[in-house]
Amino acid sequence: QKEVEQDPGPLSVPEGAIVSLNCTYSNSAFQYFMWYRQYSRKGPELLMYTYSSGNKEDGRFTAQVDKSSKYISLFIRDSQPSDSATYLCASQGAQKLVFGQGTRLTINP
Amino acid sequence: DTAVSQTPKYLVTQMGNDKSIKCEQNLGHDTMYWYKQDSKKFLKIMFSYNNKELIINETVPNRFSPKSPDKAHLNLHINSLELGDSAVYFCASSQDLAGALTDTQYFGPGTRLTVL
Repeated sequence: QKEVEQDPGPLSVPEGAIVSLNCTYSNSAFQYFMWYRQYSRKGPELLMYTYSSGNKEDGRFTAQVDKSSKYISLFIRDSQPSDSATYLCASQGAQKLVFGQGTRLTINP
Repeated sequence: DTAVSQTPKYLVTQMGNDKSIKCEQNLGHDTMYWYKQDSKKFLKIMFSYNNKELIINETVPNRFSPKSPDKAHLNLHINSLELGDSAVYFCASSQDLAGALTDTQYFGPGTRLTVL
């Protein structure tokens, strides 16, 4: 079993829709959780991070962690075609990041 | 003024060959990493170096040998390339070791390796 599991998709939604991306993790020791965005043929870049349980909002993006169920979510409001990318969740383990498989998201104009 | 750069961007080679990928960061970071991303986009750490010292070697075959001549550079040499080595290899850097709170990792553009 992978330490961080993510539905690879692909996920395709119309412009303006609310997008929900989800991951689960298995290691109870994980405290920090990140979302990276990766455009085609580019390296991943940090989008948001959260600590422990709770929500964090940044513009149209909201990251949510529920440690009781080991569930990580990223919500995108008013999705734009420029949001089309692969989204990778990650958890911070011992001196390393553990990534999920990534969800490929396409926003259709 | 690219923060993390890698060369080459593309590498096509035959099975059994030896090849190297170079990485440089100009962010003044102490820690550098190599990741492998397979065809299903699964990104997995291979190595990390902190101040030129190997910190993580994530059960990578001995054919892979990282070398850090200084804090700003981390190269990856691969001997006797196999078909399964085909992937995108990403270099990354961070100010401190991942695990030191939320130390952001900055990724390079990747090197797409194809072994024929």
